[in-house]
Amino acid sequence: SQTIHQWPATLVQPVGSPLSLECTVEGTSNPNLYWYRQAAGRGLQLLFYSVGIGQISSEVPQNLSASRPQDRQFILSSKKLLLSDSGFYLCAWATSGQINEKLFFGSGTQLSVL
Amino acid sequence: GESVGLHLPTLSVQEGDNSIINCAYSNSASDYFIWYKQESGKGPQFIIDIRSNMDKRQGQRVTVLLNKTVKHLSLQIAATQPGDSAVYFCAENIIQGKAGGTSYGKLTFGQGTILTVHP
Repeated sequence: SQTIHQWPATLVQPVGSPLSLECTVEGTSNPNLYWYRQAAGRGLQLLFYSVGIGQISSEVPQNLSASRPQDRQFILSSKKLLLSDSGFYLCAWATSGQINEKLFFGSGTQLSVL
Repeated sequence: GESVGLHLPTLSVQEGDNSIINCAYSNSASDYFIWYKQESGKGPQFIIDIRSNMDKRQGQRVTVLLNKTVKHLSLQIAATQPGDSAVYFCAENIIQGKAGGTSYGKLTFGQGTILTVHP
């Protein structure tokens, strides 16, 4: 069966510090991968998605970047965090090649930038 | 721009009652819809989905209804239990295109409805 791992679960970082959140998927090959951000009490905002190694699409201009160095690894990064980067970050995967995509989410990372 | 939204931000029900959570969407190109349940501090969990060529789909204690005429989606939960308390999101999927021979879509989520079930 497929599983998605996301870490860390919580993170407190000072403003201006770097960020690296990692997500890995097991049990499937060539998945589509996604990073979402969720503000407190709000819906999910798509940040990045990837349909293959090295292929990253950005949905909104921001202080963050994403990379996919391996087929089942997706990394969210920042060189210098801003207060506004605080939020709940979710990684998700979907089966590529499917017309209707059902996303499966990781457990999320609660990021607090102070 | 086009978006998915919810009619009610909160819903309180008694245990054993049926719950109905509503969602309106505005993108006529959406061909696939999903309901997710999110408990506090956790990632969204898939509940049920429906394609645009269907009007109704049933799962275990849940039913999703799709009315394409008025662009309305609803989730019905039968015999609601305290464990059903969570935030429920509807999402619509729009096919974005193809890259490298594979198709991909983008899910747009509504703001969510908080369901509280009282024992």
